[in-house]
Amino acid sequence: EPEVTQTPSHQVTQMGQEVILRCVPISNHLYFYWYRQILGQKVEFLVSFYNNEISEKSEIFDDQFSVERPDGSNFTLKIRSTKLEDSAMYFCASIELMNTEAFFGQGTRLTVV
Amino acid sequence: QKEVEQNSGPLSVPEGAIASLNCTYSDRVSQSFFWYRQYSGKSPELIMSIYSNGDKEDGRFTAQLNKASQYVSLLIRDSQPSDSATYLCAVIGTGGSYIPTFGRGTSLIVHP
Repeated sequence: EPEVTQTPSHQVTQMGQEVILRCVPISNHLYFYWYRQILGQKVEFLVSFYNNEISEKSEIFDDQFSVERPDGSNFTLKIRSTKLEDSAMYFCASIELMNTEAFFGQGTRLTVV
Repeated sequence: QKEVEQNSGPLSVPEGAIASLNCTYSDRVSQSFFWYRQYSGKSPELIMSIYSNGDKEDGRFTAQLNKASQYVSLLIRDSQPSDSATYLCAVIGTGGSYIPTFGRGTSLIVHP
């Protein structure tokens, strides 16, 4: 069964460092998303990506964040200068068609120290 | 502002009972509704999707949608201890936004 894959599963980084989180969405899906979930809190939308560009972003997705689809299969989230409050689970999700089910990767646990 | 509301629980039911999980949403033109299960430290796993008013059954799970009341629910029959998890309601609205918006989730505990 096709699935969304994310790497790494866990990343520890020092405050101020750059991190890149990687995702391979399901191959025939057209819409890609990044969400984050701080421990004990809700799943929060960060950004959506369609047709090789950002389609929507939340207030959380400020200038420290960027997304890219460099090679037609990978979908990356970059955090330029990490802060302690960026510590969270980051989930990638993809959707085949508009308004249909989103399938999630297993997540990357980011710990900023 | 779109909002999806869920009682955080925990909802505690005995094994074999029916668990009823509820969700309300504020965007009247929302079109697509989903239930996910999330075990602690894991990613959301899709259980059910529902798009039109009424009931939709899949095994032990039944999703119910009432667009007039802006209400969607999930029933789990014959609850098992392995069903113990957080259940997330997600809604996709129209009006130009196709972002799945999640509620905070309801923690379900099924005790033997």
